Amino acid sequence: AQSVTQLDSHVSVSEGTPVLLRCNYSSSYSPSLFWYVQHPNKGLQLLLKYTSAATLVKGINGFEAEFKKSETSFHLTKPSAHMSDAAEYFCVVSLSSGYSTLTFGKGTMLLVSP
Amino acid sequence: NAGVTQTPKFRILKIGQSMTLQCTQDMNHNYMYWYRQDPGMGLKLIYYSVGAGITDKGEVPNGYNVSRSTTEDFPLRLELAAPSQTSVYFCASLERTGDYEQYFGPGTRLTVT
Repeated sequence: AQSVTQLDSHVSVSEGTPVLLRCNYSSSYSPSLFWYVQHPNKGLQLLLKYTSAATLVKGINGFEAEFKKSETSFHLTKPSAHMSDAAEYFCVVSLSSGYSTLTFGKGTMLLVSP
Repeated sequence: NAGVTQTPKFRILKIGQSMTLQCTQDMNHNYMYWYRQDPGMGLKLIYYSVGAGITDKGEVPNGYNVSRSTTEDFPLRLELAAPSQTSVYFCASLERTGDYEQYFGPGTRLTVT
């Protein structure tokens, strides 16, 4: 079985300050891990993915995440928030084998103030 | 490529009515998925398909049916709609399993009253 816990339902930052969105996972096997972003009333867009290669993964729009197996974490960071980053972010785990069904966290809403 | 398309974008149903949510992908992906998203929750898997003629239940299949007669299309059928099925429905497709990204459609917002 696999599961994902996003530790914060809401995160508020000021524009230009760092962003940290926390995610812990549980998986019996080697997982693939993803971060998706959803802007209001939009579909989901892939930010980045970890697929057992480099543990530090760089994604689009300046986001990156680090896979830490010992801590079972996959936190998402960005050095400097932009107003356009305001959205909901989902941490997602998938088994590397099988039918690649995704297990989603409940999401973290990122609020960016001027 | 249009990617994954879903119709309709919005729909209001009365309790007990039926409808089909359409999903089409033009990427020749074998794997397709239906998810629902409730407020404050992540997406939950309803059904998935690993190829034409093959479907299987996900985490929350009750009240839904699917079929996969072609590679491109994966419709989701709601029979006897209930208020608990008020949700946003997303269809996704995947080229192959392993390390590959699922591509999502724009979603269908369904309200059952």
